Amino acid sequence: KQEVTQIPAALSVPEGENLVLNCSFTDSAIYNLQWFRQDPGKGLTSLLLIQSSQREQTSGRLNASLDKSSGRSTLYIAASQPGDSATYLCAVKDRGSARQLTFGSGTQLTVLP
Amino acid sequence: ETGVTQTPRHLVMGMTNKKSLKCEQHLGHNAMYWYKQSAKKPLELMFVYNFKEQTENNSVPSRFSPECPNSSHLFLHLHTLQPEDSALYLCASSPGPENGELFFGEGSRLTVL
Repeated sequence: KQEVTQIPAALSVPEGENLVLNCSFTDSAIYNLQWFRQDPGKGLTSLLLIQSSQREQTSGRLNASLDKSSGRSTLYIAASQPGDSATYLCAVKDRGSARQLTFGSGTQLTVLP
Repeated sequence: ETGVTQTPRHLVMGMTNKKSLKCEQHLGHNAMYWYKQSAKKPLELMFVYNFKEQTENNSVPSRFSPECPNSSHLFLHLHTLQPEDSALYLCASSPGPENGELFFGEGSRLTVL
């Protein structure tokens, strides 16, 4: 059974810092991996989708990488801003059960002004 | 219009009430999902529909009854719920059940008294 872990559970950084959020998964036979952002009491906003054949995806100040062999993905946020404060979730879609995502518990990010 | 719309955003109900959550997507997607998000727990998949047909029921109690009249609309009918069912219920859609990004609604915050 796929397990997804996100470390740290919470992170606080000063504005302007570059930061990395980590996601690890136990079964490397994945279909894709998706990073989401969730603001308090709100739904999830898709940030980046990485297919299993890709190694990274970029959108603005965000860069997500994927290393299937080691079961790891990172989300890099450049020049962080207070508006980036949110919970960041990664989710993995397995090849064996391609209809559903397995979510991590998220990293709660606070960017201090 | 936003891609995935959920109503109501907040719902308080007694254990003997019957209520329904509604989800509508304007993205032309064929797959729709119900997820449950409880405090301190990862998102849990409840149901998957593909072209109006239910393709996944993740061992959800029968007091939750989904309905998908067409590819754009999804309901979750609630009956004789328990206080532990209080959670954020999230609807999502994707182009198909086995490919593409998931797009989420804002969620319906349910409180069972």
